[in-house]
Amino acid sequence: DGGITQSPKYLFRKEGQNVTLSCEQNLNHDAMYWYRQDPGQGLRLIYYSQIVNDFQKGDIAEGYSVSREKKESFPLTVTSAQKNPTAFYLCASSPLDRSQGTQYFGPGTRLLVL
Amino acid sequence: AQSVSQHNHHVILSEAASLELGCNYSYGGTVNLFWYVQYPGQHLQLLLKYFSGDPLVKGIKGFEAEFIKSKFSFNLRKPSVQWSDTAEYFCAVRGNYGQNFVFGPGTRLSVLP
Repeated sequence: DGGITQSPKYLFRKEGQNVTLSCEQNLNHDAMYWYRQDPGQGLRLIYYSQIVNDFQKGDIAEGYSVSREKKESFPLTVTSAQKNPTAFYLCASSPLDRSQGTQYFGPGTRLLVL
Repeated sequence: AQSVSQHNHHVILSEAASLELGCNYSYGGTVNLFWYVQYPGQHLQLLLKYFSGDPLVKGIKGFEAEFIKSKFSFNLRKPSVQWSDTAEYFCAVRGNYGQNFVFGPGTRLSVLP
């Protein structure tokens, strides 16, 4: 059963702590994305990657970091530099072939600050 | 830079009412257009998309959208809504020379039984 998995479903962060959100896909997609969803603001792009070992900043990359060591995996780290991390985080993937080109989304991780 | 606006933050309708959700985008070139839906507690999923050809596209669950290039619009319609259509709806655009999708702020639809 193909799809995108994100874990954990809920994550709590303490002050000064880095936390990592997992995203795995078995759709054989080249491109992967991280979005942040806040009420009334839609989805804002944090980082994206089109190929292994390469990634680009999105609109709101400050305070976040990513890695893409495997095609299937695109973990997001929320660092202590991100001053307002409470949000719903969505991972997505898509084929690079634009004719196929919709995004598929994971179930999301809700990050809360203690 | 590309941007997407959605006219309504929250729409409340009774069952069987007709629905139209507005979406406008700013981008000078050729675009791909999408509507996504997020049902309560579920993944964001694709409702319909426009790449080229007939500007009236049909999606799942009786939804359709019309691309009007002169108005930079891609409004979503459904002739008769059901309680199960209660969800948040997002319009998205991707320029033909980029890989990134730009999403609108979303419209929350509440359908009263």
